[in-house]
Amino acid sequence: EAEVAQSPRYKITEKSQAVAFWCDPISGHATLYWYRQILGQGPELLVQFQDESVVDDSQLPKDRFSAERLKGVDSTLKIQPAELGDSAMYLCASSLRGRGMNTEAFFGQGTRLTVV
Amino acid sequence: AQTVTQSQPEMSVQEAETVTLSCTYDTSENNYYLFWYKQPPSRQMILVIRQEAYKQQNATENRFSVNFQKAAKSFSLKISDSQLGDTAMYFCAFMKHVFLGGTSYGKLTFGQGTILTVHP
Repeated sequence: EAEVAQSPRYKITEKSQAVAFWCDPISGHATLYWYRQILGQGPELLVQFQDESVVDDSQLPKDRFSAERLKGVDSTLKIQPAELGDSAMYLCASSLRGRGMNTEAFFGQGTRLTVV
Repeated sequence: AQTVTQSQPEMSVQEAETVTLSCTYDTSENNYYLFWYKQPPSRQMILVIRQEAYKQQNATENRFSVNFQKAAKSFSLKISDSQLGDTAMYFCAFMKHVFLGGTSYGKLTFGQGTILTVHP
């Protein structure tokens, strides 16, 4: 069964260091989402790609966060420098292009980031 | 901007009983999609059930059903015959399609979640 792959599963980093997360969506999925989920809260969209283009990054803290999806397939989310408040689960999700049944978003297992 | 509100931070139910989780949303859109996602402890988020706003009939998936009230902007989830494996955090989510530069994409917004515990 096809899955969204994320790595690493867990990451501990010191504040002011750089950290990167990787996501490989389900093959053929045009839409890729990066969400941040603070423990006990709902996911908050950071950035959304349609193929290789960013279509929504309104909630991405652009002074420290960056995201790319160069060939419209896998994606990398980077934080530099990391701050204590960045500790959270980072979720990647993907979906097919289109409407109706294609609207379902499939999620990866997430990367749990702890900044110390 | 769309908002999704889940007013029950935590719920509990006895095994085999029925429980209803509440969700309201705010939008000016007429066509959209609503979802309930389940996130078990330390496991990935999975889709439980989906409703398309233009369909009046409430969606059902085995023990899971929804009560979709479009005028009231309400979308509750009913879990019948609750099982221990239903213990999880449940998220209500709203999706609208945005048109941009000749293409469209779905914008997915989540509520804050409800922690459901099923007791034996």
